[in-house]
Amino acid sequence: DGGITQSPKYLFRKEGQNVTLSCEQNLNHDAMYWYRQDPGQGLRLIYYSQIVNDFQKGDIAEGYSVSREKKESFPLTVTSAQKNPTAFYLCATALPGPRETQYFGPGTRLLVL
Amino acid sequence: EDQVTQSPEALRLQEGESSSLNCSYTVSGLRGLFWYRQDPGKGPEFLFTLYSAGEEKEKERLKATLTKKESFLHITAPKPEDSATYLCAAPRTGGSYIPTFGRGTSLIVHP
Repeated sequence: DGGITQSPKYLFRKEGQNVTLSCEQNLNHDAMYWYRQDPGQGLRLIYYSQIVNDFQKGDIAEGYSVSREKKESFPLTVTSAQKNPTAFYLCATALPGPRETQYFGPGTRLLVL
Repeated sequence: EDQVTQSPEALRLQEGESSSLNCSYTVSGLRGLFWYRQDPGKGPEFLFTLYSAGEEKEKERLKATLTKKESFLHITAPKPEDSATYLCAAPRTGGSYIPTFGRGTSLIVHP
């Protein structure tokens, strides 16, 4: 099956802990994105990558880090510097180009203990 | 500054009661307007892309239209299973690959 997988579905973070959210795709899309969604707010861009071994900060990158070592994978680490990490995190992929549609994974909900 | 504004924030309809959702945008040189459906606790599901004013696309009870300043998502004779949040998005000005998303319209259809 072609698609985007995110794991885990739910993640619990203790104070001071770094946690990593997984995003894997087999759509052969070059571009991958991470968004954060909070109640009543639109999707806010954290990081994006147009090609392997390259990525750029989005609008709210502070407290987050990413890597893009493989085309299929774009993991997001929520560091202890992110003071308000509770949110729904969405990974998306797309073919290159501004007219291309983004396709989303099922999301990971991060909660703070 | 690019802005994508959706209205209303929330909409309650009776089954069969048709209505429209609005998405207005201030992006210069629009290169696409995207509509998504999002169910609670799930990722957005792609519905439509519109590229030029006057374009229309349909899928079951949904029809999306585009003008130079806004897009409408028309819902004809909705059913309870159409209940969801509907998001629109447009690529940012200046050749960016990054879309700006609206905050969404939460639709509830009562049986």
